[in-house]
This record gives sequence, structure tokens and C-alpha cells, in this order.
Amino acid sequence: EAGVAQSPRYKIIEKRQSVAFWCNPISGHATLYWYQQILGQGPKLLIQFQNNGVVDDSQLPKDRFSAERLKGVDSTLKIQPAKLEDSAVYLCASNPIRGPYGYTFGSGTRLTVV
Amino acid sequence: AQSVSQHNHHVILSEAASLELGCNYSYGGTVNLFWYVQYPGQHLQLLLKYFSGDPLVKGIKGFEAEFIKSKFSFNLRKPSVQWSDTAEYFCAIDRGSTLGRLYFGRGTQLTVWP
Repeated sequence: EAGVAQSPRYKIIEKRQSVAFWCNPISGHATLYWYQQILGQGPKLLIQFQNNGVVDDSQLPKDRFSAERLKGVDSTLKIQPAKLEDSAVYLCASNPIRGPYGYTFGSGTRLTVV
Repeated sequence: AQSVSQHNHHVILSEAASLELGCNYSYGGTVNLFWYVQYPGQHLQLLLKYFSGDPLVKGIKGFEAEFIKSKFSFNLRKPSVQWSDTAEYFCAIDRGSTLGRLYFGRGTQLTVWP
């Protein structure tokens, strides 16, 4: 089975610019997650989708971050404007059901804000 | 709030040495417990998980972990490490609900010298 696809793998932008990340989950996986992993820390959940609806976005900095999941499949995460502290790896994961039982992570997008 | 603590930030071992990585969590309710591994340049992979039953859990690549409820601990062990075990190891918990949100520790970098 194909894994969770993310692009781009790397991105360098200047502060105050905007950036978008894309995630294609495993086919048929209803639940999709975006995590932020800052260097030296473990991943932290930003937002969770169930099909195309948001289940949990309590940790998403909504003044600058937005995410959507069109048609319950692919998802994009956007940052506008970016800050230096947004430098991190952004991980996408998907799950066939609502629960941790079949989690699969993508390789992530490494964002550097300069 | 729940948190996951991994007290060893960087562990350096020689091949064939025994490994134990500590993981403690703070949450009074039912939890599911996980260990993930991240090899350089790769995505997070599940090593093992505990949901219920026998508190001694065996995972892939010879790893095992023991859930000690009274100590809120889920330590990872391997009797004899190999150079290929060099990676970052993350402990994570789920609150035992169906939400699927994972809370990660900050990770332990394991370096194994041949």
C-alpha cells in the first residue's frame, strides 16, 4: 500500500511570506492529522480532520495557520504570514478510523523561515 | 493536561549493549501507549503499542516495552542493540478515547557505535 505523500520535502522562505504544504493520505483513510515538530521536540497536533470536517483545531494558531481537506481526501496546510518560530517539520498522518490504531505518518515537510 | 516525559535526550551505546529508554506520562485516565522510531531522513514508524492485556509488549526488530501502571511508565528495552538501531525514539500516548490525538515526548536520540 502506498504511504502518506507530502510535498514539498523542503521549503525555505523569508519571514512574513506565505507557504503551503500538501498531503495525500492513504486511500480510504478517513482521518487526517497535521503535526508540527520543532527541532528538539516531539510532534504536536495542529489539526485533525474526519473526512472533510474539522475534529480538533484547538492547537492551530488561527491568526496565521489555515488548513482544509477538500472532498475528504487531500489536505493543504497554509501559513500566512510566516514567523521565524514556524521553522519546523510539518508531518501529515492518516488513519482508517477515528482512533490511533492505524496511524501512518508521511515523511514531512521541513520548513525554514529566515 | 497530559504530558509525556523522556528523560534521556541522547543515549550513546556500543553494539551488543543493552538498551532501556525511559518514558513517563502524566494522565490519570485510561491511556494507549506507543513507541515510534524515526531513522534519519525517514518517517515515523511504529515500533510497538499497548492498549490492554499483558503489560509486556513485544514489537518489531527485537524491541519490547513494559507498561507499569503504578509508575505511569512505559520503558523501551532491547537486550542487544545494533548499529542500525541508530535513530530517534519517541514515546507517545493517546487518552484511550477514539479521538486518535497522540501526545509525544521530546524524543531520545540513540547513537550506536559499531
